[in-house]
Amino acid sequence: QSVLTQPPSVSGAPGQRVTISCTGSRSNIGAKYDVHWYQQLPGTAPKLLISGNNNRPSGVPDRFSGSRSDTSASLAISGLQAEDEADYYCQSYDSSLSASVFGGGTKLTVL
Amino acid sequence: QVQLVQSGAEVKKPGSSVKVSCKSSGVSFSTYSVSWVRQAPGQGLEWMGQIFPTLHITNYAQKFQGRVSITADKFSTTIYLEVSSLRSEDTAVYYCARGDQIPSTSSDIWGQGTQVTVSS
Repeated sequence: QSVLTQPPSVSGAPGQRVTISCTGSRSNIGAKYDVHWYQQLPGTAPKLLISGNNNRPSGVPDRFSGSRSDTSASLAISGLQAEDEADYYCQSYDSSLSASVFGGGTKLTVL
Repeated sequence: QVQLVQSGAEVKKPGSSVKVSCKSSGVSFSTYSVSWVRQAPGQGLEWMGQIFPTLHITNYAQKFQGRVSITADKFSTTIYLEVSSLRSEDTAVYYCARGDQIPSTSSDIWGQGTQVTVSS
């Protein structure tokens, strides 16, 4: 049972927009700790997609965006492409655990 | 371009220990933190712990307290993860990842991963 809750899977057709939610609590996202998002392609190491809630590292397309509100965060992917098919993870810090935590991950399928 | 290069795959017996290394090519870890994250087969990412080399501070997930040790070499160019009392559930890919010197940091650079297999 992850401290941060993500839907196990989402899907969308090429060109569409999808969102992936990350639900936390008052000791992590609700305490205003930053939320980060990672993309993991099969057989590879995770790649930082969004840092600090809504900042895209250099090289990440602007089709990817992040937001945070209250005890939740979301990753939005617009103009869906086949290459976006991957697992996506949110991460934040939890003050009651004094540790960083990951969501359980969401598998994105491009139909 | 900074890369994190991890040591090779390991096969260990239950009850033994394993030590995995993570070397930075280019710059030292002196102004960064390094986290260790593992991923069991078919499972998600699990944060294990973090070291702030120049501050000589480590922080571990409660689940791994007492069984995991994260250390740095004298020049903060190589970080080590040691896991003791291995059991089959520790079979996973172990990643090191670089971040800023705050506990809530993201990880912008990741190692290639080290497969650790625990089997009798």
